[in-house]
Amino acid sequence: GAVVSQHPSWVICKSGTSVKIECRSLDFQATTMFWYRQFPKQSLMLMATSNEGSKATYEQGVEKDKFLINHASLTLSTLTVTSAHPEDSSFYICSARGTGGFHYEQYFGPGTRLTVT
Amino acid sequence: GENVEQHPSTLSVQEGDSAVIKCTYSDSASNYFPWYKQELGKRPQLIIDIRSNVGEKKDQRIAVTLNKTAKHFSLHITETQPEDSAVYFCAASSSGNTGKLIFGQGTTLQVKP
Repeated sequence: GAVVSQHPSWVICKSGTSVKIECRSLDFQATTMFWYRQFPKQSLMLMATSNEGSKATYEQGVEKDKFLINHASLTLSTLTVTSAHPEDSSFYICSARGTGGFHYEQYFGPGTRLTVT
Repeated sequence: GENVEQHPSTLSVQEGDSAVIKCTYSDSASNYFPWYKQELGKRPQLIIDIRSNVGEKKDQRIAVTLNKTAKHFSLHITETQPEDSAVYFCAASSSGNTGKLIFGQGTTLQVKP
């Protein structure tokens, strides 16, 4: 149980284009999802917290107009990187937290490697 | 703001030896402390966690200790094996509305055969 998927696993896009990444909880309802960015040999940096049906909460320094997050259902959250630039190239990982017995734990997706050329 | 400091950044041990990684946190409201193992290009995998009402937890070769007064928690791996080689992250979270995790900087563990 507690499986989280991400799609795509990797994507290459041209500078100036937008890219959408999906995060799905496959076997549980995720009231809260989190989006992280991880640069090579660095830690996971929380970008935003997404609650189903409400606006995402962004961490300080993360541009909400550039990283659009939508959590339209209890099993799906999307991150859209708008007008991507080479410095946005990174490993993007989502995690999902359920309710009840899953209250504390977060379950991570496999990540999406974004390369902007 | 919230912060988690993790040491050391790299750790090399001989197979069979023990490894200890230490973290300190700043937010006194933190009450959940997971440890993750991440292999290159893969997702973080939860290996053990501890909640603030417990001082120590053990799972086979892995143990975690928590000192709430000092805001320290540590990961102990005994009888290390080459397959333990990976990057390990500590994290801290509070059970507030978001339960967001704040990660430490990571420790690259190398276990030499």
